[in-house]
Order: sequence, then structure tokens, then C-alpha cells
Amino acid sequence: AQSVAQPEDQVNVAEGNPLTVKCTYSVSGNPYLFWYVQYPNRGLQFLLKYITGDNLVKGSYGFEAEFNKSQTSFHLKKPSALVSDSALYFCAVRDINNYGQNFVFGPGTRLSVLP
Amino acid sequence: EPEVTQTPSHQVTQMGQEVILRCVPISNHLYFYWYRQILGQKVEFLVSFYNNEISEKSEIFDDQFSVERPDGSNFTLKIRSTKLEDSAMYFCASSVEGKHEQYFGPGTRLTVT
Repeated sequence: AQSVAQPEDQVNVAEGNPLTVKCTYSVSGNPYLFWYVQYPNRGLQFLLKYITGDNLVKGSYGFEAEFNKSQTSFHLKKPSALVSDSALYFCAVRDINNYGQNFVFGPGTRLSVLP
Repeated sequence: EPEVTQTPSHQVTQMGQEVILRCVPISNHLYFYWYRQILGQKVEFLVSFYNNEISEKSEIFDDQFSVERPDGSNFTLKIRSTKLEDSAMYFCASSVEGKHEQYFGPGTRLTVT
């Protein structure tokens, strides 16, 4: 069965500092990996994905993530955090060998960027 | 930019009543999904829909739930007899293909009293 862990409920970072939001996953086959962001009272917005190819993927709003197969991780990063990045971040995985198409979401990490 | 829309934004209903949540997926997308998020908890998959039939459903999606694509644009989730524990945010999503990213609507907040 697929599963996603986000080990930190909350990440606090000062504006201008680099940020990392951690994600590890478990699938039986090869993963498709995604990051979504949720602002208060809003739906989930797609940030970036890893399907195949380069392990470092770049996405919206200056975010990037690195796929690490040996560590089964897909950490989200940004070189310089903005206060407006404060939101709830969800990692999601789909097993490409799984017939179904649903995502399994992690529990979410709340990012607070302090001015 | 095309987006997924959902109506209503907030639905209040009494326990035992039927509710229908409506979604208009992005027009060229072929795969449709419903998820729910109980307040403060993770996003949970309910059902996926492709080619006019359910392709996958979770254990949450019991006989009280049904989905329908009544025409070429709408995708609905019906809860036949709502329970207090159905109170949650319900998100509709769509994707071009199963492996691609899913685009989510803004959600419908369902409150069962």
C-alpha cells in the first residue's frame, strides 16, 4: 500500500532564509510524487511533480524538490522564503504500478515564514 | 487559465438529508476525483471516475455515496443520508491522464447538523 509521511507538523523559518519541508514515501513500485499548497479557506494548488527524469524538479513560486530514490524522499525546498509562502503543504504519491489513479496525501506541514 | 469550479461553497444540512455537491472539471480533462478533508486532518481520497464509470473508490465511499456525470460538464457527488461525521470540506479534482497532476476546485464545506 502507498503511504506518505511528513515528519514535521510545523516548520518555522525567517523571511529570506532557505526552507525545507520534508516528505518520505512508501510504494511497492515506482512513484509519481507531487507537492500541493493550501492557503486558508482555499483548495489545493499544484506546485510541482516528479514523474521521471531529473531528480531535481522546479515548480511554481520558486519552489523545487529533489527526488531521492535511495532515501525514498521528496523534500520541498526554496532558497529564500517569503512571508506569503506561509501555508499548509501536502506531499502526495501515486504508485505507477497501481491500477488506480488516486493520490495518497501526507498529513500536511504548516509552514510559517516570519518577517 | 481554466480551473475546476465547485458549488455550493458551503452547504448546511440536517442529519439524514440527501445532499448533492457539484463540480465542473476542466473541460479537456478525462479523469475526475472526489476527496474530502475533515477539519484539521489530511486530505482523503473518496473516488475516481473515468469513461463514465468509477475506476477506484476508498473504503470511505460506501453505499451512501454515489457519483454521476449527468452531462458533458458536471460531475456530482451525492450523499444519500448524511451523518454528522460527513461534515468536511469536499474537493473535486480533475486530470488529463491518470498519472498527471490533479487540479483541485476550491471545495464545498459541508456541515451536517
